[in-house]
Amino acid sequence: DTAVSQTPKYLVTQMGNDKSIKCEQNLGHDTMYWYKQDSKKFLKIMFSYNNKELIINETVPNRFSPKSPDKAHLNLHINSLELGDSAVYFCASSQDPLPNEQFFGPGTRLTVL
Amino acid sequence: AQSVAQPEDQVNVAEGNPLTVKCTYSVSGNPYLFWYVQYPNRGLQFLLKYITGDNLVKGSYGFEAEFNKSQTSFHLKKPSALVSDSALYFCAVRDKAGGSYIPTFGRGTSLIVHP
Repeated sequence: DTAVSQTPKYLVTQMGNDKSIKCEQNLGHDTMYWYKQDSKKFLKIMFSYNNKELIINETVPNRFSPKSPDKAHLNLHINSLELGDSAVYFCASSQDPLPNEQFFGPGTRLTVL
Repeated sequence: AQSVAQPEDQVNVAEGNPLTVKCTYSVSGNPYLFWYVQYPNRGLQFLLKYITGDNLVKGSYGFEAEFNKSQTSFHLKKPSALVSDSALYFCAVRDKAGGSYIPTFGRGTSLIVHP
């Protein structure tokens, strides 16, 4: 059983397009996250939702909009894609509010041409 | 603001030798510390954590880490390295801010174990 899954695994698109990445977890966790990992492997948190409520919103362009239809799903929609958006995006989940470990998805490699 | 430093971009060790991957942290409250490993083209996997209690924490795949409050360090160790341990290792801290435990990751250390 896949604990945290993401679709698609690869996404290649043109500048200016709009795209979405989907994430689902079957661990029963309350909190989900989106991270961006750049080409130097630096991992930066973007957003976090707890029970469908946004709790962390780092300095991310407003072209990025997360949506959590329920606590098992957290999607990321990106408008007007730019070259600098090319990265690997990871979804993760954890059982909060205690500071527990996070479980990561396999990642979505986004390439903007 | 919390921060995590991994001073080495890369650590090289021979198979069978002990390994250490360094991590230091800065937090305003109690430190909640984690180590994760990332294999190529994969997501991060949890190795171990320190929340409270014993300073020596044991985790997956024979790894352990020592919490040192006075030196604000949480170094990852393994007594005998395997070639299969070669991967990217991340130290992370979660500090409480506004009711949430916000995670911050170090820049990662690439561990290379030579046969």
